[in-house]
Amino acid sequence: DVKVTQSSRYLVKRTGEKVFLECVQDMDHENMFWYRQDPGLGLRLIYFSYDVKMKEKGDIPEGYSVSREKKERFSLILESASTNQTSMYLCASSSGKNEQFFGPGTRLTVL
Amino acid sequence: AQTVTQSQPEMSVQEAETVTLSCTYDTSESDYYLFWYKQPPSRQMILVIRQEAYKQQNATENRFSVNFQKAAKSFSLKISDSQLGDAAMYFCAYPPVSGSARQLTFGSGTQLTVLP
Repeated sequence: DVKVTQSSRYLVKRTGEKVFLECVQDMDHENMFWYRQDPGLGLRLIYFSYDVKMKEKGDIPEGYSVSREKKERFSLILESASTNQTSMYLCASSSGKNEQFFGPGTRLTVL
Repeated sequence: AQTVTQSQPEMSVQEAETVTLSCTYDTSESDYYLFWYKQPPSRQMILVIRQEAYKQQNATENRFSVNFQKAAKSFSLKISDSQLGDAAMYFCAYPPVSGSARQLTFGSGTQLTVLP
């Protein structure tokens, strides 16, 4: 089975802190994604990557950056966390046009 | 902007009954996949069913089936013999035309409650 893991289930940070969310997949998928999930808004794509060191902006990239130095690892970075970035963050991976496999999510609270 | 619409924010069904969740989308592509995902209260999102748009036959996975109306751009999920474990948030998703074929656009979700 595909396994996608995220570094933390729950995270509490203060405004202005730099925050790293990490995601690791074990199925050699070339595509990896970061979403945020908010009630009533579904999942919104922040960034995705289709290869090592490659990245593309999603629908809501402002305030976020990403890093993909190795194929299995995709990091989401909040350079200076703000309260409006309090959300559930989901990582996913896929191969080609196939379905995406999701991690368990990180609930981030920014105080 | 490409959109996918789930018009039912909440639905409920009696255990053992059948329920249909609706989804409509907007695309001018002819060959694409459509997906239904389930997110139980534990939050791990899992794939329920996948439909390939070029196939006329509706996809079926055990108690889950789709009613795919390509011309109407409608992709509904039918759950038969509902079980308590089916209670979850359900999202439909499809690849938007303007983005990479690798991306998916998700609907806002339907919260399904199963009543004992």
